[in-house]
Amino acid sequence: DAKTTQPNSMESNEEEPVHLPCNHSTISGTDYIHWYRQLPSQGPEYVIHGLTSNVNNRMASLAIAEDRKSSTLILHRATLRDAAVYYCIPVHSGNTPLVFGKGTRLSVIA
Amino acid sequence: ETGVTQSPTHLIKTRGQQVTLRCSSQSGHNTVSWYQQALGQGPQFIFQYYREEENGRGNFPPRFSGLQFPNYSSELNVNALELDDSALYLCASSHVAKGVYEQYFGPGTRLTVT
Repeated sequence: DAKTTQPNSMESNEEEPVHLPCNHSTISGTDYIHWYRQLPSQGPEYVIHGLTSNVNNRMASLAIAEDRKSSTLILHRATLRDAAVYYCIPVHSGNTPLVFGKGTRLSVIA
Repeated sequence: ETGVTQSPTHLIKTRGQQVTLRCSSQSGHNTVSWYQQALGQGPQFIFQYYREEENGRGNFPPRFSGLQFPNYSSELNVNALELDDSALYLCASSHVAKGVYEQYFGPGTRLTVT
């Protein structure tokens, strides 16, 4: 399994953009990069995923480095509801299980 | 479309007892995975079921076992409970045939072993 490195914690002001980094230097060429988040007292929630190109959806954007050794999850305007632990997870094709690290705990200040 | 549901929400058991946790997958999903999340840690993969067969297992002893039923609901059974089994147990459903493997998690069952 590819190892990931994320900051333990980050802080953002409400309505400011947030850039959550992840290093995954050992990722294989066919692994997708998935991001999940876990709000307090809830199960993890899928956020976004990508392979090589940058991706956007209603929740966030994902910027993937050209060498695929790192990626950045971008929340364009943080809200209090975005306070959660964010996990970056390389996922091989198929039904491979998710391997969670410790993630980044994002705090959002009003 | 209903989401993933789990029951019970909370459970307290005594060391040595047995417990069964239940999960109802999201409609149309044929794969279920179970995870254990200790306090302050990320979830750890226990096992996965696909079309009622075990399809992969993490580093958990045989006293952790499971079932998946024809309607794709699932059970996690833990025998001979130990204090370290206290954790949040999460199930997640997915559907391989759709080609995108995001998993949809339930809210979890909080198990306390005393």
